[in-house]
Amino acid sequence: DVKVTQSSRYLVKRTGEKVFLECVQDMDHENMFWYRQDPGLGLRLIYFSYDVKMKEKGDIPEGYSVSREKKERFSLILESASTNQTSMYLCASTGWNTEAFFGQGTRLTVV
Amino acid sequence: AQSVTQLGSHVSVSEGALVLLRCNYSSSVPPYLFWYVQYPNQGLQLLLKYTSAATLVKGINGFEAEFKKSETSFHLTKPSAHMSDAAEYFCAVSDYKGGKLIFGQGTELSVKP
Repeated sequence: DVKVTQSSRYLVKRTGEKVFLECVQDMDHENMFWYRQDPGLGLRLIYFSYDVKMKEKGDIPEGYSVSREKKERFSLILESASTNQTSMYLCASTGWNTEAFFGQGTRLTVV
Repeated sequence: AQSVTQLGSHVSVSEGALVLLRCNYSSSVPPYLFWYVQYPNQGLQLLLKYTSAATLVKGINGFEAEFKKSETSFHLTKPSAHMSDAAEYFCAVSDYKGGKLIFGQGTELSVKP
């Protein structure tokens, strides 16, 4: 069974903390994505990566960075968490000719 | 640039009634279109996809969608709603099958007994 695994289901962090959200896929997919989900806004793309050590900005990259040192792992980093980054974060992966597979999501609360 | 509009943030139907969730897209290239379902506190699960083959696409759980190029639409239907269909549904577009997805705002489906 194919899997995209996000390291945490729920996280509570303080304003100003550096936060790491981890995502691992076991399908040898080339492409990985981080989305943010907010009510009424759907899913918005933060960053994506088409290869190891490669990254591209999505629609809302401000306040975030990413790291992809290995093909199977894609990390989202909040350099200094703020309350407006409280949200659900979803990781996804695709091969060049496959649909997207999603992780279970991480619900982050910044207090 | 690609975009997706889902008409209606909330749709409520009775059990056994027709389900119709609307999706319109904008794309400068032939689109790949997807419907995903999200149950509470879960990730997204693929319901069905259009990838330039048949315009009527059948998916899981009895859902289907029809690609209409002239109307730039990809509406999701199910003939008879079940209580277990209550969830949030997202329409998405991509310019190729493994590419980044652009999502609509989502439609929350409620099913009344």
